[in-house]
Amino acid sequence: VQLQESGPGLVKPSETLSLTCTVSGDPISSGGYYWTWFRQHPGKGLEWIGNVFYGGSSSYSSSLKSRLRISVGSSENQFSLNLRSVTAADTAVYYCARGQYRAALGQAHRYWGQGILVTVSS
Amino acid sequence: DIQMTQSPSSLSASVGDRVNITCRASQNIGLYVNWYQQKPGKAPELLIYGASSVESGVPSRFTGSGSGTDFTLIITALQPEDFATYSCQQSYQTPYNFGQGTKVDIK
Repeated sequence: VQLQESGPGLVKPSETLSLTCTVSGDPISSGGYYWTWFRQHPGKGLEWIGNVFYGGSSSYSSSLKSRLRISVGSSENQFSLNLRSVTAADTAVYYCARGQYRAALGQAHRYWGQGILVTVSS
Repeated sequence: DIQMTQSPSSLSASVGDRVNITCRASQNIGLYVNWYQQKPGKAPELLIYGASSVESGVPSRFTGSGSGTDFTLIITALQPEDFATYSCQQSYQTPYNFGQGTKVDIK
């Protein structure tokens, strides 16, 4: 399984950040996994942004919920992130990943994309 | 939201040393803790899930322990490739927050 983020590396303040994660090796439509976005501000720790379960619901970070949408694309191999009204505080490396849930052990992410740096600046 | 407090924030160690990194959850989360390793400019790699289950392909010198609120990642006999940042994450309840990370560097 491989994941690859794509999208603009520069976004203007107040605009919408749109990223796509392309998955190869296992179609999203096969089900059973949580397709997840993380981010990491420069020099900081990891932040879980949210996820989408194929054919099911999405879950979002409390702090981003009002501006965020994560969805599975029309292609069975892609899911996306849309973050509205961005500010400089949204400048970060964004990662997509596949989450697997194991009963009584929780959800963990073995497969990650390489990450994409998104800078918010005019 | 569940908060994860990780310590220490950094440590210096030598090849062959035993390293302990701890994480404390703000509430009981059972076994719902993962540990990741991250090297500069790279994506995180999953080491441990479910507090103590070692991910396939991860060397046996990495072990995890704990339950409830207190968790530990142990690296026995530190190797040169182990110098990196380690982060815990809870998956008991969204948002799946991480600890602040522990940077392990060479003494």
